[in-house]
Amino acid sequence: QQQVKQSPQSLIVQKGGISIINCAYENTAFDYFPWYQQFPGKGPALLIAIRPDVSEKKEGRFTISFNKSAKQFSLHIMDSQPGDSATYFCAASNQNNDMRFGAGTRLTVKP
Amino acid sequence: GAVVSQHPSWVICKSGTSVKIECRSLDFQATTMFWYRQFPKQSLMLMATSNEGSKATYEQGVEKDKFLINHASLTLSTLTVTSAHPEDSSFYICSVDGRRRGEQYFGPGTRLTVT
Repeated sequence: QQQVKQSPQSLIVQKGGISIINCAYENTAFDYFPWYQQFPGKGPALLIAIRPDVSEKKEGRFTISFNKSAKQFSLHIMDSQPGDSATYFCAASNQNNDMRFGAGTRLTVKP
Repeated sequence: GAVVSQHPSWVICKSGTSVKIECRSLDFQATTMFWYRQFPKQSLMLMATSNEGSKATYEQGVEKDKFLINHASLTLSTLTVTSAHPEDSSFYICSVDGRRRGEQYFGPGTRLTVT
């Protein structure tokens, strides 16, 4: 059973555009929601994360929007660049640090 | 974040042999380490949670006798794939518990190919 649902599976954006990736969860015990960026052949790297006491967090060009009542959160990448082309995973973890990942979104930013 | 290394970065072995993968936390003492498996173009699947000085907790469907985990110290955990078969070929990634609750920092991964 997939505990974190992520969409879209793949995304193509023009350079300078906004990339938006969405995730939804069911388990209300989750209280930490990170996004990871993974390049081919590499381990995931923590990009940005949010806890449910805030609705939005911004770090540079990356913003997480969090809707606790809807149990949804999303990643927005502003001014997308070709170097952002990678696979992005949302995740959710609980107090036991039991982390579950979304299926991933393969982002391609065209120059 | 924590700096995590894995060794080897890739390994090719013959079917029936055993392979050991090391995961080291280089700048942080990690009470808990995690082992994941990732098949091509798929997500990360948690295999087991490893706590220093105690037995690992395996996820449902993961054979503990096949995937031996030893968390010998606060900076080292090892995963041994015993009697490897071609279907065990995958990308194995470890992570360590971060300083703040919920955080995990991942190693660079180990590509295992079983021929």
